[in-house]
Amino acid sequence: DAKTTQPPSMDCAEGRAANLPCNHSTISGNEYVYWYRQIHSQGPQYIIHGLKNNETNEMASLIITEDRKSSTLILPHATLRDTAVYYCIVRADYGGATNKLIFGTGTLLAVQP
Amino acid sequence: EAGVAQSPRYKIIEKRQSVAFWCNPISGHATLYWYQQILGQGPKLLIQFQNNGVVDDSQLPKDRFSAERLKGVDSTLKIQPAKLEDSAVYLCASSKTENQPQHFGDGTRLSIL
Repeated sequence: DAKTTQPPSMDCAEGRAANLPCNHSTISGNEYVYWYRQIHSQGPQYIIHGLKNNETNEMASLIITEDRKSSTLILPHATLRDTAVYYCIVRADYGGATNKLIFGTGTLLAVQP
Repeated sequence: EAGVAQSPRYKIIEKRQSVAFWCNPISGHATLYWYQQILGQGPKLLIQFQNNGVVDDSQLPKDRFSAERLKGVDSTLKIQPAKLEDSAVYLCASSKTENQPQHFGDGTRLSIL
């Protein structure tokens, strides 16, 4: 079972910031928070991941609360092409079968013109 | 760099027939994964290879599914015989190592009649 909770859907206006929440209250100390997205008819696309510090790359920012029980993915200026299902996944980063990605049902982000 | 290549893109077969999917990972990626994604759900890991060895096949229905990665590069997933419940998108992913982000192909959509 997925170890994260996400809202099933969200709307965002084009050009505005999209803030996608994720709850992972049972996260362990060695587990990272990963975000992927899946645009219709495509495979999942890696966005960003972090352990406890906030992270930023060319696609998004990841804000993790101090207690690590929740996080927010921020798309600073959403475009229509950002419409997708966004998956928040917790995963331990060490070798072996126990560090596999377990996808839930994610959040469908609909960017409105 | 070229992404993960999968073929065919679509496949329609009748139940009890056999089918095979092919995946060519990103060059230099040692770890290869096969996922099954049923409509409305997130991807589910079927099997994970490290080079040409199996790391995790705990979710692979071994009575009908098989996979190989003989030379540690490309891989084939086979279903024989197919059942109606095998209708899904089959996704291949690869990563440089087990601890690196996974990169996905666009999958093969399988329909069983």
